[in-house]
Amino acid sequence: GESVGLHLPTLSVQEGDNSIINCAYSNSASDYFIWYKQESGKGPQFIIDIRSNMDKRQGQRVTVLLNKTVKHLSLQIAATQPGDSAVYFCAENPVRGGSYIPTFGRGTSLIVHP
Amino acid sequence: DGGITQSPKYLFRKEGQNVTLSCEQNLNHDAMYWYRQDPGQGLRLIYYSQIVNDFQKGDIAEGYSVSREKKESFPLTVTSAQKNPTAFYLCASSTESGRASETQYFGPGTRLLVL
Repeated sequence: GESVGLHLPTLSVQEGDNSIINCAYSNSASDYFIWYKQESGKGPQFIIDIRSNMDKRQGQRVTVLLNKTVKHLSLQIAATQPGDSAVYFCAENPVRGGSYIPTFGRGTSLIVHP
Repeated sequence: DGGITQSPKYLFRKEGQNVTLSCEQNLNHDAMYWYRQDPGQGLRLIYYSQIVNDFQKGDIAEGYSVSREKKESFPLTVTSAQKNPTAFYLCASSTESGRASETQYFGPGTRLLVL
């Protein structure tokens, strides 16, 4: 869920558990959604994407679910590892000025305890 | 290696000074973007460019300027008009911004600090 102030929403899990990170997006006309992983002091990296004509897509250890009815995305990480500790952002690609320009959510900090 | 690079990694600005952040890509991407990231916040779009010699303002363009004279390069200048410049600045590129399913590739970022 959303929070205020300077603190990111945080999810703490034990190594080996499954993690679920949630994201609410704002534009019902968005056709494409992306999850990024950002490690401390680095730029975001692409994890997985999904188009609006799908409700589920699987990658290696990750699954993205899309619920267009409530404008909700989730990222599921199976068998979470310490290397998964990072901030995770969802992004949507609404049209602005005739182009698709990504809009990012605030992010969720995932902390994996060994 | 193909990729997107930013320099410097850390940059210090004195009051009233303009500073320029470098962003270079050798991915042959048409579109490039600048984002600002504050602690505990998401990425906010400063400027973007879809093609050489053309760029558009994003959500927080005030106090910033850009140029796109070459396809590979999209430098960002933080002017003295930007009163709160301390942040992590991220540059990104994508093949083009005219398609819905465009993935952005990000550089490693530049952290700007005010002395």
